[in-house]
Amino acid sequence: DADVTQTPRNRITKTGKRIMLECSQTKGHDRMYWYRQDPGLGLQLIYYSFDVKDINKGEISDGYSVSRQAQAKFSLSLESAIPNQTALYFCATSDRGGASYNEQFFGPGTRLTVL
Amino acid sequence: KQEVTQIPAALSVPEGENLVLNCSFTDSAIYNLQWFRQDPGKGLTSLLLIQSSQREQTSGRLNASLDKSSGRSTLYIAASQPGDSATYLCAVRRYSGGGADGLTFGKGTHLIIQP
Repeated sequence: DADVTQTPRNRITKTGKRIMLECSQTKGHDRMYWYRQDPGLGLQLIYYSFDVKDINKGEISDGYSVSRQAQAKFSLSLESAIPNQTALYFCATSDRGGASYNEQFFGPGTRLTVL
Repeated sequence: KQEVTQIPAALSVPEGENLVLNCSFTDSAIYNLQWFRQDPGKGLTSLLLIQSSQREQTSGRLNASLDKSSGRSTLYIAASQPGDSATYLCAVRRYSGGGADGLTFGKGTHLIIQP
């Protein structure tokens, strides 16, 4: 389903360029996340946001920044792209659910290549 | 730091067999554990979510168990089919009493079901 959408789906850019990846969700969830996936390394958390006013760094935030423009929109920026940021980027959402939080739902991913 | 390990890294079995995928994690202070399926070049599809207070969850031919005290989870797939071929990812959601959030992923088990 298209509850979590990411744009663009594929992007090729050059070293030093600024690039923005966008994520939108129609699930009404308050929490949003950005992950990157590298072959052999699995998925790693870049940033997450509890709501529009709350942004938190994940495991690998260096070289990235984010913006939560609205509850439904969470953007990831690479201010000056470098080749080792070539990866598959995923956006995810989740909602609060009592004492244990609910499951995360992932977008289709953006394949980014930095030359 | 939480670490998630999945064994085996790859598995190839004939159609119709029952199989078990293993996941272990080092820190038992988790909120929940989630199993995902990922097809090549695609996003993540949530299969099962087990809350920290639960022991197992079932969906169709899939059954996931959780033993939080020993840091282990298993995903059981009954009567495997070629369409089950994919990479299966295990992820644990960190305890967020201090505000931390996000999933920590294993590197996955690449499953091939032979027709």
